[in-house]
Amino acid sequence: KNEVEQSPQNLTAQEGEFITINCSYSVGISALHWLQQHPGGGIVSLFMLSSGKKKHGRLIATINIQEKHSSLHITASHPRDSAVYICAVGNYGGSQGNLIFGKGTKLSVKP
Amino acid sequence: EPEVTQTPSHQVTQMGQEVILRCVPISNHLYFYWYRQILGQKVEFLVSFYNNEISEKSEIFDDQFSVERPDGSNFTLKIRSTKLEDSAMYFCASRDSEDQPQHFGDGTRLSIL
Repeated sequence: KNEVEQSPQNLTAQEGEFITINCSYSVGISALHWLQQHPGGGIVSLFMLSSGKKKHGRLIATINIQEKHSSLHITASHPRDSAVYICAVGNYGGSQGNLIFGKGTKLSVKP
Repeated sequence: EPEVTQTPSHQVTQMGQEVILRCVPISNHLYFYWYRQILGQKVEFLVSFYNNEISEKSEIFDDQFSVERPDGSNFTLKIRSTKLEDSAMYFCASRDSEDQPQHFGDGTRLSIL
């Protein structure tokens, strides 16, 4: 069974700082997802990736398949980025919906 | 932008009662999912549904749970004889193909008294 570990668990940053959140997993995967959970509970999919790097606005996600590691970067952070960021993985041979989730990283960006 | 919608946003039910959580996935999507998140814990997979049948389910999804797509738009999760430990946020998600990300609803907070 895959284990998904995220670090740090909590992160406080000043507005404008560059932020990195890390995710590691124990077993080979088919895809990795980065999700954002708002204070009200709603979940938004940010990225789905199986190799390399993806960028959307100020967000960048990278994955190293050999090292079983992914990072989510936020450039020029803003208070509206404050949320819980969750890494989730889908295993080979399983349904693509059977995601295993990390515990999340709670990010707070101060003005 | 199309959204996954879930109703109700909050459901309070007495222990032992049946509850139905409703979801309207995005209209052209083919793959449907239910997840739950107990307060303070990580999100957990419950069940995936494709082509009018369950494609995979977790250990959590025991005989008290069932899913149904009764018409072309709704996707429901039924919990029979609810227990206190069923209290959680339940998320529905959908996607149009397996190589696309899932779209999540805002969740239904289920409180069992």
